[in-house]
Amino acid sequence: QSVLTQPPSVSAAPGQAVTISCSESSSNIGNNYVSWYQQLPGTAPKLLIYENNKRPSGIPDRFSGSKSDTSATLGITGLQSGDEADYYCGTWDSSLNVGVFGGGTKLTVL
Amino acid sequence: QVQLVQSGGGVVQAGGSLRLSCTASGFTFSTYAMHWVRQAPGKGLEWVAFIRYDGNNEYNEYADSVKGRFTISRDNSKNSLSLQMNCLRTEDTAVYYCTKDPYRSASGIYDYWGQGILVTVSS
Repeated sequence: QSVLTQPPSVSAAPGQAVTISCSESSSNIGNNYVSWYQQLPGTAPKLLIYENNKRPSGIPDRFSGSKSDTSATLGITGLQSGDEADYYCGTWDSSLNVGVFGGGTKLTVL
Repeated sequence: QVQLVQSGGGVVQAGGSLRLSCTASGFTFSTYAMHWVRQAPGKGLEWVAFIRYDGNNEYNEYADSVKGRFTISRDNSKNSLSLQMNCLRTEDTAVYYCTKDPYRSASGIYDYWGQGILVTVSS
């Protein structure tokens, strides 16, 4: 089964930029789209990025996504205190027909 | 606007059963796949189950951790999604989310989420 690996935590100062990586142990990530979710404390997750780099309506362009063969990256610019949250990457493993999430990354805005 | 309203959580003893429900509104429910995703206390997200837009059970998919114990179903006439959970284990304790897929089949994208409902399995 696919395993998506994220750093447990990242931090940066307000106004700065940060990236969060999502890597896969096998090569399947190259064959599947990656999406990203933001989970503010005590709330349900929210879709931030889908199909590697597309933003749903209402998501500011401070959030961006990219993907290479075996890893995906979420970028956040102009950090705000309201960005403090847990961030998860996810994909659908089309060879096993299962959903997969990364372990999550806690973003701290210093 | 899209709304997914969940019900049915609670406390159950290990070995028992519980049924979660999710009522959808604000979109044409019968044209989108749906999933259940759960989150154990203090832990990350775990995908649980998937059902196609038309509810054809032949295409349902489950995480290995729940296969044979959980059953996902939908009633498109009532805009409702269900998760029947049997033979519950303490490790099934989690907040369960009903989620919508933006496609008719599984894409790994969850564009709308229910409010989440807590299931506690006691020993």
